Amino acid sequence: AAGVIQSPRHLIKEKRETATLKCYPIPRHDTVYWYQQGPGQDPQFLISFYEKMQSDKGSIPDRFSAQQFSDYHSELNMSSLELGDSALYFCASRFEADTQYFGPGTRLTVL
Amino acid sequence: GDSVTQMEGPVTLSEEAFLTINCTYTATGYPSLFWYVQYPGEGLQLLLKATKADDKGSNKGFEATYRKETTSFHLEKGSVQVSDSAVYFCALNSGGSNYKLTFGKGTLLTVNP
Repeated sequence: AAGVIQSPRHLIKEKRETATLKCYPIPRHDTVYWYQQGPGQDPQFLISFYEKMQSDKGSIPDRFSAQQFSDYHSELNMSSLELGDSALYFCASRFEADTQYFGPGTRLTVL
Repeated sequence: GDSVTQMEGPVTLSEEAFLTINCTYTATGYPSLFWYVQYPGEGLQLLLKATKADDKGSNKGFEATYRKETTSFHLEKGSVQVSDSAVYFCALNSGGSNYKLTFGKGTLLTVNP
C-alpha cells in the first residue's frame, strides 16, 4: 500500500540558511500534519492543512511557514535556521477517519 | 489542554517476558487513543487504537483497553520478542475539526535474548 513520502530524508544546513521539506500524502488523503521531534523528545504538532487551507497551528516558529498545494502535497519552509531546529520532522496524512499515517521523517541537522 | 503521561522507562526485559507500559491522559470531550511505535532510525507506525470507552485495540500481540473511569490506555503484551525493541508512544486526539495528536514522552523498550 502507498505510504506517506517525505523528501529529503536527510538535510544538513548551516545556521541562518533556509530549508524546504516536502511531504506527499497517501493518495486521497486530504489532511496533512507536520510534527517536530527533537532528540529524545516526543513529537510536537506544528501545523496542519485540510483541503489546501491551514486548519490548525501549534508551536510553529514565525520563521517557519507551510502550505498545501492543489495536488495535496505540502511543503514546510524554514528560514534563518538555528541550532535548535535540528530535529526529525514528520509529516502525517489522514482521510475521514481519525487515524494519522506518518512518513519516515526528514532529519534536519543545523551546523 | 490535552496531555498524555506515560511510563518513561527505559524498560529492559528478557525475551518472552510480560510487558506493561502505563499511559494516562487528560482531555476535553471523548478522545481517541493510540499507541505508535518507532523502531530505531524509522518513522512512527500506528500499533493500535481505540475510539471509545471499553474498546480494546490489538495488533501483533499487543493490546490496550480504553478505560474512561481511570483515564488510562495501558499497553500490554504477553510475551515480548527481541524484535519488539523500540520506542512506544501513547497519543490522543480530541477530535473536533482537526484531530491533531498529543503524544506522551515515549518509552524505550529493550528486549534481550
